[in-house]
Amino acid sequence: NTKITQSPRYLILGRANKSLECEQHLGHNAMYWYKQSAEKPPELMFLYNLKQLIRNETVPSRFIPECPDSSKLLLHISAVDPEDSAVYFCASSPPGQGSNERLFFGHGTKLSVL
Amino acid sequence: GEQVEQRPPHLSVREGDSAVIICTYTDPNSYYFFWYKQEPGAGLQLLMKVFSSTEINEGQGFTVLLNKKDKQLSLNLTAAHPGDSAVYFCAVTRNMGYKLTFGTGTSLLVDP
Repeated sequence: NTKITQSPRYLILGRANKSLECEQHLGHNAMYWYKQSAEKPPELMFLYNLKQLIRNETVPSRFIPECPDSSKLLLHISAVDPEDSAVYFCASSPPGQGSNERLFFGHGTKLSVL
Repeated sequence: GEQVEQRPPHLSVREGDSAVIICTYTDPNSYYFFWYKQEPGAGLQLLMKVFSSTEINEGQGFTVLLNKKDKQLSLNLTAAHPGDSAVYFCAVTRNMGYKLTFGTGTSLLVDP
């Protein structure tokens, strides 16, 4: 799915700060960050709708989302922890159909914490 | 909260065989059900969305059954082919504004 792009694709960090980026070219209003640990299902972290933070699940404070416009989503991570090693997926969904009607996922950013 | 058990965690079948994956959920108020397919290194792709009012749903090469009495959702691949090899997740929610609860996933391998 090249209509939701995520960068970087792979990220290896020590205890550093980094931002993950996502952009969707689908005209969707809702955007999500999901975390998928190894051999686990995706877990919702954050949900934005029309740039407003709608859902903020129990996530460590070192994860800070930002939605500069309805097509872009950022995830700022400060002082990563080994438990943060996972694939982080960005997703979006169309307007007017509810937040779960049709989720489109990006390819994910694989974060490895040293 | 809602809990979704999915089984089996791993499934290996030969090409042309059928493959069945079952999810059991706990929330009797669940109304929307989904099956997602995740290929290696990719995000999840929606296979089918099921409403609680429909018990049998047919897609291309698969059937989804919903048993509300037993709170079970199943995915039946009728004649699996190697391209079906992936991890499959079910997902359940009460309504479209509610949080999706995913099953634990099934890794399917179809041998040619």
